[in-house]
Amino acid sequence: DTQMTQSPPSLSASVGDRVTITCQASQDISNHLNWYQQKSGRAPKLLIYDTSNLEIGVPSRFSGSGSGTDFTFTINSLQPEDFATYYCQHYDDVPSVTFGPGTKVDLK
Amino acid sequence: QVQLVQSGAEVKKTGASVKVSCKASGYGFTGYYIHWVRQAPGQGLEWMGWINPSSGGTKYAQKFQGRVTLTRDTSIRTAYMELSRLRSDDTALYYCAREMGAMVIAFDNWGQGTLVTVSS
Repeated sequence: DTQMTQSPPSLSASVGDRVTITCQASQDISNHLNWYQQKSGRAPKLLIYDTSNLEIGVPSRFSGSGSGTDFTFTINSLQPEDFATYYCQHYDDVPSVTFGPGTKVDLK
Repeated sequence: QVQLVQSGAEVKKTGASVKVSCKASGYGFTGYYIHWVRQAPGQGLEWMGWINPSSGGTKYAQKFQGRVTLTRDTSIRTAYMELSRLRSDDTALYYCAREMGAMVIAFDNWGQGTLVTVSS
């Protein structure tokens, strides 16, 4: 099974900051990597699928990149509503699914 | 609009079983896989498995093999997750989620979650 790691586990940032989160796979996963936002007490929300595709309705300040084993999620100009936990998620051809451990973004 | 509405919170004894429902509306139920994901208190997301509502075919995460059963009733557009031999560490919020399709295994719509509490 492919293992997913995320870094950092948490970070503190200010409104307007650029935030970057990385996700690393234990083996080549092509572009099969998605990103979610979860706010406290709410279901996760899909932001980006297949590494870099923005889900409909998601603001363009969110972006993703990468391939193979190393992936990056970026929030340009952090907004107050962006303080949340972010998860990467991998899928394979079976399909089976693996989530990363999450990155909590809070206010500095 | 697409909606997944789950059944209410459950409290169960250790060793018992729980069955959670997920009623779909606003789209063709048999056209999209339904996945189940759980989240223990203060913890991350854990994938449990999927069901193809059209065929009834399933795939379970290895961790839950033998304890979880996913079923569906297409006549009422509802998917079910049954977890047996409950332990205290099964206490979690259980979500159903719709796979977005087009060969992309991403979850574009989620239920509101069902809290399952297991105690002795």
